[in-house]
Amino acid sequence: SQQGEEDPQALSIQEGENATMNCSYKTSINNLQWYRQNSGRGLVHLILIRSNEREKHSGRLRVTLDTSKKSSSLLITASRAADTASYFCATDADYGNKLVFGAGTILRVKS
Amino acid sequence: DTEVTQTPKHLVMGMTNKKSLKCEQHMGHRAMYWYKQKAKKPPELMFVYSYEKLSINESVPSRFSPECPNSSLLNLHLHALQPEDSALYLCASSQGTRWGPRGYEQYFGPGTRLTVT
Repeated sequence: SQQGEEDPQALSIQEGENATMNCSYKTSINNLQWYRQNSGRGLVHLILIRSNEREKHSGRLRVTLDTSKKSSSLLITASRAADTASYFCATDADYGNKLVFGAGTILRVKS
Repeated sequence: DTEVTQTPKHLVMGMTNKKSLKCEQHMGHRAMYWYKQKAKKPPELMFVYSYEKLSINESVPSRFSPECPNSSLLNLHLHALQPEDSALYLCASSQGTRWGPRGYEQYFGPGTRLTVT
């Protein structure tokens, strides 16, 4: 079953603007991960945040996690056309590193 | 080498054919995964291998048969598929599978685009 839900479903912004995507989930988690997928290709891991962490940065990416609200957000600052992709959150709740992916946000960055 | 390779890139097969998808990684990862992804949908887990043993089968129909010949290779054997099985099949690997907060990121291959006619 699908654990994470993301919003918005699609986001279109101008190059240089910031993009924020949100993810909500239903059960307790060990960690939450964000992945990027360019059209029809494999997924690329972006960042992992553990359940005892509240915020994490990696380059132009900032991820927050609020376990009380069962939600996470991914902020991409100073977006570029190359950031155009689908972004998925994934939660790891069960033994065996079983990831359950959210529905994804399609981001389009216009140059 | 942080790459997961998958062959073939594209596959068209009839419903009576038998074919195999192949996946390879040389990162020393001990967990490998098969996912199925339909258009505009997230990946759905099919199988997990941990230390070359099948640890998770997400109630996948028997027309999909996974195999892990060694720690670097993962195959998915296909037989008597249906048109609704057409999808992007993704292989992934991770350093391990361990319960607890640590977690491991997964490295994905580019996928095999499968069309069943």
